[in-house]
Amino acid sequence: QQPVQSPQAVILREGEDAVINCSSSKALYSVHWYRQKHGEAPVFLMILLKGGEQKGHDKISASFNEKKQQSSLYLTASQLSYSGTYFCGTVSGTYKYIFGTGTRLKVLA
Amino acid sequence: EAQVTQNPRYLITVTGKKLTVTCSQNMNHEYMSWYRQDPGLGLRQIYYSMNVEVTDKGDVPEGYKVSRKEKRNFPLILESPSPNQTSLYFCASSSFGGVYQETQYFGPGTRLLVL
Repeated sequence: QQPVQSPQAVILREGEDAVINCSSSKALYSVHWYRQKHGEAPVFLMILLKGGEQKGHDKISASFNEKKQQSSLYLTASQLSYSGTYFCGTVSGTYKYIFGTGTRLKVLA
Repeated sequence: EAQVTQNPRYLITVTGKKLTVTCSQNMNHEYMSWYRQDPGLGLRQIYYSMNVEVTDKGDVPEGYKVSRKEKRNFPLILESPSPNQTSLYFCASSSFGGVYQETQYFGPGTRLLVL
């Protein structure tokens, strides 16, 4: 079963912050985050590994809590270029890959 | 330049006419995968391959075939396409760092319309 993301959609003004959550009903060993612009391929943002780590670059960061089977993506001081659909993803079972349900983010000027 | 290429980018075909979408990567990645993306259904894995001659089903394999005869290539074959296979298809590749998957690189996508 695919990870569930929340919220499904969010609209922000430039400079505002957002949090996107990814929850799995199965154990997570690693989590990937991607951003996809309309009509384009997903672009990798970051990977988080088991160990409750937190990562980030620029104004985008993420956390991973394997006990809660959750990951969160934090976007601070959002820019117009952050608009798109965000997906979490993880390896499930024997190397099968599953994407989350997706979160549409729109940043307005 | 590290990249994943797919061809064709756009394809219109008719029901039942066999087609192949090619995928090639130049990063020497072991893992390759095909996904389809449909509105409201997100990205779903069709097939994946851990290495040459090793392939396995993803979540939506019905109606598709794959082969991995060379490490760099992973073609997707639709033996008898049907309208419900109209979709946006992505090929992707990555390496595996032990038990976890590294960055997944995606091709530009193939838009398929089956009439």
